[in-house]
Amino acid sequence: KAGVTQTPRYLIKTRGQQVTLSCSPISGHRSVSWYQQTPGQGLQFLFEYFSETQRNKGNFPGRFSGRQFSNSRSEMNVSTLELGDSALYLCASSFSDAEQYFGPGTRLTVT
Amino acid sequence: GIQVEQSPPDLILQEGANSTLRCNFSDSVNNLQWFHQNPWGQLINLFYIPSGTKQNGRLSATTVATERYSLLYISSSQTTDSGVYFCAADNNAGNMLTFGGGTRLMVKP
Repeated sequence: KAGVTQTPRYLIKTRGQQVTLSCSPISGHRSVSWYQQTPGQGLQFLFEYFSETQRNKGNFPGRFSGRQFSNSRSEMNVSTLELGDSALYLCASSFSDAEQYFGPGTRLTVT
Repeated sequence: GIQVEQSPPDLILQEGANSTLRCNFSDSVNNLQWFHQNPWGQLINLFYIPSGTKQNGRLSATTVATERYSLLYISSSQTTDSGVYFCAADNNAGNMLTFGGGTRLMVKP
């Protein structure tokens, strides 16, 4: 079974721009969660989608948003990028409220 | 929310040595996982272990849920074991892991 895939793998954006990241879960998994990893804050939960509905949300500003499609693929969007948004963005999928499996991540650099 | 703390933050071993990594959590959990982050950033699943003991080759893990801690044992360490090990826990409905700060392991040949 194919693992979690994320695109793009690397991205460079300028302050003020917006960005959209994509995540395709393992086949059959209906839950997709997003995390941000930075050297200063470590790994932090952004939000989770289950059956196209946001089920949980972390402590991030409204510039961070997401959605999930009927095939369980998910996108996250960051608007009005700031330098501090430079990070590794990881998504994870799960079949139920149990073990999560992570994708390879998207490394975003904001200049 | 739940707090997760890992110790030690850094660990240097000689190849062949054994090690124990600890994860303390502040509340009861319905999910606890151990991961190894590879040099490219991907989190590799090691154990899903909200309670009990599991073994996989040279690695084993024990979670004592009543005392709110989990241990990851690495035996006969190899240089390829180097990297950062994360513990993450969840006590909510849904999938929202809280990660510890990680243990950075370096195994020297």
